[in-house]
Amino acid sequence: GIQVEQSPPDLILQEGANSTLRCNFSDSVNNLQWFHQNPWGQLINLFYIPSGTKQNGRLSATTVATERYSLLYISSSQTTDSGVYFCAATDPFYNQGGKLIFGQGTELSVKP
Amino acid sequence: DAGITQSPRHKVTETGTPVTLRCHQTENHRYMYWYRQDPGHGLRLIHYSYGVKDTDKGEVSDGYSVSRSKTEDFLLTLESATSSQTSVYFCAISESGQVPYNEQFFGPGTRLTVL
Repeated sequence: GIQVEQSPPDLILQEGANSTLRCNFSDSVNNLQWFHQNPWGQLINLFYIPSGTKQNGRLSATTVATERYSLLYISSSQTTDSGVYFCAATDPFYNQGGKLIFGQGTELSVKP
Repeated sequence: DAGITQSPRHKVTETGTPVTLRCHQTENHRYMYWYRQDPGHGLRLIHYSYGVKDTDKGEVSDGYSVSRSKTEDFLLTLESATSSQTSVYFCAISESGQVPYNEQFFGPGTRLTVL
C-alpha cells in the first residue's frame, strides 16, 4: 500500500511568520485531504485537494499529483494555528471502502 | 460543520468488560468509518460501513465488531475490552467511498481507557 510522509515532524514559529508543510506519497493517490487537529483533539477539515491549488483565508494548499506531493501554506501564523497537521489520502488500488491513509503529522507550535 | 456526534466522549472501563461506542450523523451520508488514533501509529481504520447492515473490516479489526441498523447510527463494540484498546476513537462519514469524490468528515472523538 501507499506510504504518506510528512515533513517537518515539528515546527516552532513566532506569531506572524509563514510556513510550508509538505506531504509526499509513495505512489498515486486519490482524495487527498489536509486536517488540523487542534489541542482539544478535534480533527478539522482544511482542504480536500486531489489536485490543483485552493485557498481559504491565510491557508492555501497545492497538490501536484503527477509528482506525488502536496503542500500546505500557512501565512501570518497565529497562536490558534497550533496543533498537528495531517495529510491523508486513499489508495486507488487497495480501497477498503475509501480508507484514508494518514501521514504521521506535523506538530506546529506558534509562540506569541 | 458536519453533523457528527459521538458518545460517550470519555470512558474508563476495566479489562474484560464490553463497551459500545456510538456515532450519530445528521448528514444522511452513505459511508461511515471507525478509526483509532494512537501515538506512533497515527489514525488507522477499524471497520467501515457502506450502507445499512453493510459493513466490512479495516486494517485493525481484531477485537471489534460493528453494527449499522439505521443510516444515521454506526456502533462500535469491544466485546471484551483489553488494555491494548486504550485509544482515541474517531468516527468519520463521507458521501461516497472512493471515487469520484470521497471527502471524509470526522466526529469529535471518544477517549477510551481500559484499566
